[in-house]
Order: sequence, then C-alpha cells, then structure tokens
Amino acid sequence: QQQVKQSPQSLIVQKGGISIINCAYENTAFDYFPWYQQFPGKGPALLIAIRPDVSEKKEGRFTISFNKSAKQFSLHIMDSQPGDSATYFCAASISSNTGKLIFGQGTTLQVKP
Amino acid sequence: DVKVTQSSRYLVKRTGEKVFLECVQDMDHENMFWYRQDPGLGLRLIYFSYDVKMKEKGDIPEGYSVSREKKERFSLILESASTNQTSMYLCASSLQGSIEEKLFFGSGTQLSVL
Repeated sequence: QQQVKQSPQSLIVQKGGISIINCAYENTAFDYFPWYQQFPGKGPALLIAIRPDVSEKKEGRFTISFNKSAKQFSLHIMDSQPGDSATYFCAASISSNTGKLIFGQGTTLQVKP
Repeated sequence: DVKVTQSSRYLVKRTGEKVFLECVQDMDHENMFWYRQDPGLGLRLIYFSYDVKMKEKGDIPEGYSVSREKKERFSLILESASTNQTSMYLCASSLQGSIEEKLFFGSGTQLSVL
C-alpha cells in the first residue's frame, strides 16, 4: 500500500521555468512533510520540509505548498536551473522518536539549458 | 557533517547466497534505517532500529533481517538472496527527538543478484 502518491514520474523543464511536483497522502495522522533531493550516485538529502500548521514554506527558489483539507502538498522550484536536475522525493511521517518516513515514488527532473 | 558509510558501492551475488550489507554512522544517532530504492516505487522501508538491539519491521521486511549490536552500526542481511532483491539499498540515520527529523543517507549499495 502506497500511503504517499507522487506525480509526475518525470519532468522536463526549460531553464528559468517553474518545476512543480505534487504529492497526495492518505493518513491524516501525518504531521511532517519533507522533500528530499537526490543526485546520481548520491543518497537523498533533505531539501525543505513543512508541518501542517502553515500552508506555505519558502526557502530560496524552493517552496512547499500545503493543502490540509485536500491532503496534498507540492514542491515548486522557481527559476529552475540545470543544477536542479535530480530526483525528488516527497515524504510524510507521524512525529515520533523513531523518525520513520514514508516516501513517494520519486520524480526525475531534467532542466534543459 | 554527519557521515553515513555503506561498505560497498556495488555488489554482485548469486541466488541463494547469504548477503550482508553494512552501514556505519559517525554522529551518535539513535535511529537507523534500511530502505530499498526501485524505479517507479520510490524508497520503501525494510527495517528500522531506534536503539541498540532493537528493531522494527518496515513495509517490506520479507526476505530480510537486521542486526544492531552497536549504536553506530546497522547491518542488513539477505538470508537467501533472490533475483527480486536486486535493487539499490540505502542506509540512513537520524537523531532521536530532533525537531527537524532529518534523515542522513549513505550513498547506497547497488546489489545485483544473478
């Protein structure tokens, strides 16, 4: 059972464009929603995260939008750059000492020069 | 910086072999995890541990076991490797009670079972 569904599976964007990746979750007990970025040959690394008490969080060119009623959240990459080309994973968890995360299926982003 | 080290980058094994994947972290983290990564399926949790000698099943534990004898080391064991266990295996660690709940990943082990 996939508790976090991510789309699209792949995305091609021109340099300077906006990249948008969407995730939907089922478990209303989830209260932490991070995005991880993975470059080829590397493990994923935390990019940005949000908790459901806010509807948006921005860090530089990266923004998470969160819709609690729809159980959806999305990552927006503004002014996309070739260096942003990577695989992006959304995730969700219930805050606890174990830190267990449920990940989405991943989106491979290619930003063309 | 936290470092999570996985013992092998690439591994080729035969069907039926017993396989050990080792992971070591150097930041005294209580939590450690094993995920497998497959195209189109994302990262799926195999096992995790929140303390020495403690382990809990994740979403896909069948065919795997784990060992955590020391805080810094978490081993994944494939008792009898099968071709459907060909995958990228990622180890991660995190600090218990951290507000950020950040996972630190190793670079992964690409396992091929022939």
